[in-house]
Amino acid sequence: DTEVTQTPKHLVMGMTNKKSLKCEQHMGHRAMYWYKQKAKKPPELMFVYSYEKLSINESVRSRFSPECPNSSLLNLHLHALQPEDSALYLCASSQPGQPNEKLFFGSGTQLSVL
Amino acid sequence: GDSVTQMEGPVTLSEEAFLTINCTYTATGYPSLFWYVQYPGEGLQLLLKATKADDKGSNKGFEATYRKETTSFHLEKGSVQVSDSAVYFCALSAGSNDYKLSFGAGTTVTVRA
Repeated sequence: DTEVTQTPKHLVMGMTNKKSLKCEQHMGHRAMYWYKQKAKKPPELMFVYSYEKLSINESVRSRFSPECPNSSLLNLHLHALQPEDSALYLCASSQPGQPNEKLFFGSGTQLSVL
Repeated sequence: GDSVTQMEGPVTLSEEAFLTINCTYTATGYPSLFWYVQYPGEGLQLLLKATKADDKGSNKGFEATYRKETTSFHLEKGSVQVSDSAVYFCALSAGSNDYKLSFGAGTTVTVRA
């Protein structure tokens, strides 16, 4: 299994809603990432978890709250988002020893905030 | 800081044409260099990589050579197919233990039959 699975594929939410994005991998990777990608732009790193501990937070606003409950799962909890937060949210995983040897990306969750 | 500059396109080609996408970088030290590809509606996939000067990465007919003297990592393919239509991102990692990738702006390539 060389896949990173993200659910849901599409999400529409209001600014007062609370929702969660989910990511799962079974490759034994111990580093997991959240990226945000606006249309026609490159991905921007948000968070990195290494061995289930938050390793990098790229000064992301608190309305995005990551969680890594175990080595296979990564969540992104969303609350009080703004329309400018509408984007494709990509999860990725890698081995932590050489994290950029190869990143495996999921297909993403396309988020629309109304 | 470290950065990557790539031609933004869009690039439109006919099948069997030659493709080149320019990528140059700015970095201290000895970065690793990557090309990622994003097909419509999908996440990114690693296409090829090179970790030291003069290394050549290759995959699926694509090639790129790490040129330290010109700080470049240009992507080439001799004969493109319709299935190569995608967005291509050049990326840089400062070191093998660095979690951060610096991406270029991306180049949209469309191949017409």
